[in-house]
Amino acid sequence: QSVLTQPPSASGTPGQRVTISCSASSSNVGSVYLYWYQHLPGTAPKLLIYRNNQRPSGVPDRFSGSKSDTSASLAISGLRSEDEGDYYCAAWDDTLSGWVFGGGTKLTVL
Amino acid sequence: EVQLLESGGGLVQSGGSLRLSCAASGFTFTNYAMNWVRQAPGKGLEWVSGISFDGDYTYYAGSVKGRFTISRDKSKSTVYLEMKSLRAEDTAVYHCVRGYCGGTSCYTKDSWFDPWGQGTLVTVSS
Repeated sequence: QSVLTQPPSASGTPGQRVTISCSASSSNVGSVYLYWYQHLPGTAPKLLIYRNNQRPSGVPDRFSGSKSDTSASLAISGLRSEDEGDYYCAAWDDTLSGWVFGGGTKLTVL
Repeated sequence: EVQLLESGGGLVQSGGSLRLSCAASGFTFTNYAMNWVRQAPGKGLEWVSGISFDGDYTYYAGSVKGRFTISRDKSKSTVYLEMKSLRAEDTAVYHCVRGYCGGTSCYTKDSWFDPWGQGTLVTVSS
């Protein structure tokens, strides 16, 4: 059972705004930074958001992250067909002394 | 350009051993933590192990602790994952991932995963 809980699926039409949630079940995770990764078919996973809401260079500003207490969200605005893939949140867990990933959310662009 | 090139994957019998290698280039290897993250067929991402920039600190997921060993060789800019007592549930694509912290002297817990290698497939037959 993942310490970070994500919805298994999300969907939207081109141009829409979608959000993907990530809920931490442990306070040890809730007090630290959350990160988001994008995994598109046939490619290596890619960093989307670091330290809750920071966007690396090269990531479009259509992607944004937020965090409040033990929950976080990834928002994608202006949805595009090329955004279709899997999205994962991750955080360091002090109790486990290791990184944990959410179960992943499969995003479908209708 | 930062590059991470994994090798060493393959088919191995249950109970067997395998050593994965990850050759890093395009950045100062000794500044960053390194990690291994795997993805089993049809499953999500699972962090396996991490090692600090200086090699002094290593961390393991509970599922592999005592069976896997991570190490790094600064002279070769290479990180390794020694895997023993392999099980069918270890079957996965193993990605080598740099631990980036925005500066130098990156520790595993303070850094994030960027970038990722393409991965090498490990198949454990039962």
